Amino acid sequence: DSGVTQTPKHLITATGQRVTLRCSPRSGDLSVYWYQQSLDQGLQFLIQYYNGEERAKGNILERFSAQQFPDLHSELNLSSLELGDSALYFCASSKGVGQFFGPGTRLTVL
Amino acid sequence: KNEVEQSPQNLTAQEGEFITINCSYSVGISALHWLQQHPGGGIVSLFMLSSGKKKHGRLIATINIQEKHSSLHITASHPRDSAVYICAGWRNEKLTFGTGTRLTIIP
Repeated sequence: DSGVTQTPKHLITATGQRVTLRCSPRSGDLSVYWYQQSLDQGLQFLIQYYNGEERAKGNILERFSAQQFPDLHSELNLSSLELGDSALYFCASSKGVGQFFGPGTRLTVL
Repeated sequence: KNEVEQSPQNLTAQEGEFITINCSYSVGISALHWLQQHPGGGIVSLFMLSSGKKKHGRLIATINIQEKHSSLHITASHPRDSAVYICAGWRNEKLTFGTGTRLTIIP
């Protein structure tokens, strides 16, 4: 158990819909990272937050947004969903360079 | 060229064999992570290296900064080691991932 929690574990929705994925970091970790793992693209970095502020951005689509709240939990919002957004979404937290991964949310868009 | 390249893509070995997975990376990457992903999908961080060698149980990770190359070794491999092993390079506060090595250990 990494200490990072993600909800929900599975999510099935339809094209055009909007979903919110939630991540609670390990106690004391200020950084939260979001990753997408799809079958054709592998693991990709989406975005990082540090203590409530956006710190680094990767290959995140404009339809996706994230935020980190004062209690340090983070949410990833995915809107206008497309079939290609079906993937595993991981968050990870860290105090420094090493990262601890959550169990992931499997999103299926039908 | 990808920033992080792994080989082999797939590896099948008999139980007990010594396993080596390789990772080469591009300039600017300051540290290398080795991750393990089990069939259920969960990711476990095995090592983070910026120099030298680290060991944890039967797992050993090495990095050669001059050659920009890292290896993950598994001694006395066991079927429970079957998983996808992913190396990831740390640069500008982001991780860039290799494509992974699918390891299968046959009893």
